[in-house]
Amino acid sequence: AQSVTQPDIHITVSEGASLELRCNYSYGATPYLFWYVQSPGQGLQLLLKYFSGDTLVQGIKGFEAEFKRSQSSFNLRKPSVHWSDAAEYFCAVGARYGGSQGNLIFGKGTKLSVKP
Amino acid sequence: GAVVSQHPSRVICKSGTSVKIECRSLDFQATTMFWYRQFPKKSLMLMATSNEGSKATYEQGVEKDKFLINHASLTLSTLTVTSAHPEDSSFYICSAIPQGGWTDTQYFGPGTRLTVL
Repeated sequence: AQSVTQPDIHITVSEGASLELRCNYSYGATPYLFWYVQSPGQGLQLLLKYFSGDTLVQGIKGFEAEFKRSQSSFNLRKPSVHWSDAAEYFCAVGARYGGSQGNLIFGKGTKLSVKP
Repeated sequence: GAVVSQHPSRVICKSGTSVKIECRSLDFQATTMFWYRQFPKKSLMLMATSNEGSKATYEQGVEKDKFLINHASLTLSTLTVTSAHPEDSSFYICSAIPQGGWTDTQYFGPGTRLTVL
């Protein structure tokens, strides 16, 4: 079955510290992987995505993620966290089916708190 | 950039009443829109896929007679929760894919918080 696991429900880091949010997936086909961020009252914003090619992808707001096929992981990283990064982060997997558009399967999310 | 709006952002209704939630793509046309439901501390769960001009495709376990979806135009999809009950209280989020696009260009609405008393 297709699934996405985010093992950390809540993470707290100090401002300026580095961050890594974990994501593992189970998918039958070649996965297309995404990270989204959701702030209170806001819609989901795409941080970055991986389709193919270079396994280290750069996103917006200084985030990056690395696809590791052998570990079925797509962890999100940021070298220095800012207070404005406090939000809920979702990892998602999707696929294209015969040229038609597919929906996304989401993990349960990781809430990031940033302490001064 | 592409913007998706939802209306209302928050609604409180009495048990047994029906509630309609609108999802609009403001600056693009969308042949496909998705409706998700988000429970507290849970991930977004796909409820249905809405295609313009055709019947929606519902996920297993989602009651199509309870959650009516209409995608009458390329910029509007509506979700109507019929005979709402307290267990229908949730956060409903829609997303839209620009015509000719794919999930890499899926744009999400800000969500609608439904509370059924």
